[in-house]
Amino acid sequence: ETGVTQSPTHLIKTRGQQVTLRCSSQSGHNTVSWYQQALGQGPQFIFQYYREEENGRGNFPPRFSGLQFPNYSSELNVNALELDDSALYLCASNFQDTQYFGPGTRLTVL
Amino acid sequence: AQSVTQLGSHVSVSEGALVLLRCNYSSSVPPYLFWYVQYPNQGLQLLLKYTSAATLVKGINGFEAEFKKSETSFHLTKPSAHMSDAAEYFCAVTTANAGGTSYGKLTFGQGTILTVHP
Repeated sequence: ETGVTQSPTHLIKTRGQQVTLRCSSQSGHNTVSWYQQALGQGPQFIFQYYREEENGRGNFPPRFSGLQFPNYSSELNVNALELDDSALYLCASNFQDTQYFGPGTRLTVL
Repeated sequence: AQSVTQLGSHVSVSEGALVLLRCNYSSSVPPYLFWYVQYPNQGLQLLLKYTSAATLVKGINGFEAEFKKSETSFHLTKPSAHMSDAAEYFCAVTTANAGGTSYGKLTFGQGTILTVHP
């Protein structure tokens, strides 16, 4: 049990729509990272937030954005969904130099 | 830049046999290295990590890995496979920031699917 939760578990959207995914980590875990895992691939780093500010970004377009809140929850927002956005989205909180992952949200874009 | 190569996208062993999953990394600075396991339709579970202490690292479920700087490798082993070990395994690397703590951006390999036969 990592103490990291994500919602929803599954989500189906259509191309062009917008989606918000949510993550909650344990108290005191100031850093949260988001990853996209396409089918059959390893996770790809989207971005990281530290104390509510973006602290690093991977090779993802600006339509991927995020927020981190003082209560250790965070959001991943994706605008103008494309078919290739279909993936498992993983949230991870950082504690003692280790990232602990949530169960993920499976997003399907039709 | 850092990268990870996992040799073998699929590994099949018999129950009770040795498990060896290979990982080679590339990093211009001392790395932090991790192995995670993923069961179907689940998130990633940490198996073990190397953060510049002992080069032989023991993890959960009987797994261990050895950091070999000269070979830039961090292979995962388990002496005797169980049916419950069947899953996908990911090797990942990150590097310490100027403050000496992990930056947090993990770079993952493509994964190795382990199949265990009765």
